Amino acid sequence: GENVEQHPSTLSVQEGDSAVIKCTYSDSASNYFPWYKQELGKGPQLIIDIRSNVGEKKDQRIAVTLNKTAKHFSLHITETQPEDSAVYFCAARTGFQKLVFGTGTRLLVSP
Amino acid sequence: DGGITQSPKYLFRKEGQNVTLSCEQNLNHDAMYWYRQDPGQGLRLIYYSQIVNDFQKGDIAEGYSVSREKKESFPLTVTSAQKNPTAFYLCASSVLWVSYGYTFGSGTRLTVV
Repeated sequence: GENVEQHPSTLSVQEGDSAVIKCTYSDSASNYFPWYKQELGKGPQLIIDIRSNVGEKKDQRIAVTLNKTAKHFSLHITETQPEDSAVYFCAARTGFQKLVFGTGTRLLVSP
Repeated sequence: DGGITQSPKYLFRKEGQNVTLSCEQNLNHDAMYWYRQDPGQGLRLIYYSQIVNDFQKGDIAEGYSVSREKKESFPLTVTSAQKNPTAFYLCASSVLWVSYGYTFGSGTRLTVV
């Protein structure tokens, strides 16, 4: 079955810096890759997603890139702000099967 | 507004008691899921259901039970057989036949006292 690895587990940046979180997946048939943001005490919220027929997608300060050959995808956050501090989860899905989640990255943005 | 509602937000359980966590969605989603999250940890799948009156065990089903009598509802019972139930429980739902992400509820924090 699918396996998703996520790195780093913790990431500390200064406000205004960029942050990059990377995930690798094992199933070459996976075709959908969402990213979730979880604030303390809340449920995860979808922030951006990408499908296998697209290499990059942007939404204001966040972007996701996908390299199907290498089977990895990354979340990029530019001009980080303290409110970006949260836990971020990547996930991968093959067709109609269940999402498989990464282990999460705790991002801390210091003022 | 469409969404997924979990209740209660906080729940306290005495040793040996069963407790039931509620999850309701009005998104007309076919599939529903229960996850457990321990402090600083990832998401572990407990049970999931793709259709009414049918559900499957996830990775950590022991000590838990579910039912799916209505499309909108997927309650989770934490039984006395679950030895370490203190955790944050998340319910999610999704469209089944299209490859989209999940919509999560706001979670229930269960504490054994």
